[in-house]
Amino acid sequence: NAGVTQTPKFQVLKTGQSMTLQCAQDMNHEYMSWYRQDPGMGLRLIHYSVGAGITDQGEVPNGYNVSRSTTEDFPLRLLSAAPSQTSVYFCASLPKGPGQGATGANVLTFGAGSRLTVL
Amino acid sequence: DAKTTQPPSMDCAEGRAANLPCNHSTISGNEYVYWYRQIHSQGPQYIIHGLKNNETNEMASLIITEDRKSSTLILPHATLRDTAVYYCIVRVAHTGGFKTIFGAGTRLFVKA
Repeated sequence: NAGVTQTPKFQVLKTGQSMTLQCAQDMNHEYMSWYRQDPGMGLRLIHYSVGAGITDQGEVPNGYNVSRSTTEDFPLRLLSAAPSQTSVYFCASLPKGPGQGATGANVLTFGAGSRLTVL
Repeated sequence: DAKTTQPPSMDCAEGRAANLPCNHSTISGNEYVYWYRQIHSQGPQYIIHGLKNNETNEMASLIITEDRKSSTLILPHATLRDTAVYYCIVRVAHTGGFKTIFGAGTRLFVKA
């Protein structure tokens, strides 16, 4: 049981390049999400998914695309990287999402993070 | 989701108890209190949660006041490895969703 696995751990891009951050979980969690964390700040929600085939925007979705073709995987795509997207990205999952009968024990499991630098 | 207020930073001596407060005066009856921590640049880690009663697990204790307007996370014997940012979150059965749920938290420094 690996939990939430993110790859790559580090990436340097040039402005305008595209790339995909990978996220996989092996806990059969319904809900998956992507956050970004900028220096000295909390985590801001980018996109989330409540199940395969269903995605929605979070607080800061511009410049990012997601898809959820399987329960396990939730990749984050940067179509044309900008310096403002330099950040640490975290993927997280919950057993249940909104409206899915979550109990109090419904807690987030995070990946180790992906540090992205855009030059 | 109810708003939470935490002090920006706290110090604690190694081996002593660390008591981290959180105010959530607008909490509603079905909202839980969750605590997470983030060590350096690692992903946040779940610590404990509670609704009304005090809770204890292998990592920490959670004390919730009778009126539920505030709570305290207690690390009974803090070690240097407990130096981290601690986040207090109030939610109805933690369902993720649209809004950002992690604010600035409390930065705990455990000193030798």
